[in-house]
Amino acid sequence: SQQGEEDPQALSIQEGENATMNCSYKTSINNLQWYRQNSGRGLVHLILIRSNEREKHSGRLRVTLDTSKKSSSLLITASRAADTASYFCATSIIKRYSSASKIIFGSGTRLSIRP
Amino acid sequence: GAGVSQSPSNKVTEKGKDVELRCDPISGHTALYWYRQSLGQGLEFLIYFQGNSAPDKSGLPSDRFSAERTGGSVSTLTIQRTQQEDSAVYLCASSVTGENTEAFFGQGTRLTVV
Repeated sequence: SQQGEEDPQALSIQEGENATMNCSYKTSINNLQWYRQNSGRGLVHLILIRSNEREKHSGRLRVTLDTSKKSSSLLITASRAADTASYFCATSIIKRYSSASKIIFGSGTRLSIRP
Repeated sequence: GAGVSQSPSNKVTEKGKDVELRCDPISGHTALYWYRQSLGQGLEFLIYFQGNSAPDKSGLPSDRFSAERTGGSVSTLTIQRTQQEDSAVYLCASSVTGENTEAFFGQGTRLTVV
């Protein structure tokens, strides 16, 4: 089963408005990442927040992490038509005695920006 | 190479045939991941490699699916006796080893089983 679940599944807003997407997960994590996908092909990494961080910014992106609630949110401010895409959260779980992380993705939020 | 390369980009195969999907990760990336994505859905974890070994194969849907990685570089995902439900985009990603690293994705292979 998937580790992360995004909410909402789909979001349509007017250009210029802010878009907020939420992600919940089930187990302890090392970090949480957000990715963007255009046209159902390769994903592009947006931002990574570590388990000991609570908030992180990158340009128009703001990510929060609440490990007590096992949830994260991605805020895109001043949205643009070019932000139209699917957004996925991914949790990174590193196994004991392993140097590799298993990265599990959620089901995604389809964001549409109306011009 | 400059990025993760997957081949072929598209593959149409007849039900019952075997297929091989290839992933060429970024040079120096020791971790490699395979995911499957059906239309409009999220990414389903299949398997990941650390070097040539696979610490977690739990996501492989059935024994028709197998993957290997040789020389700590190229990986091949093989699907035997393909079924129509195998139709999906198969995505590969790689990353450097470590606790807080991002994954870099290829453009995927769109597999259609007819």
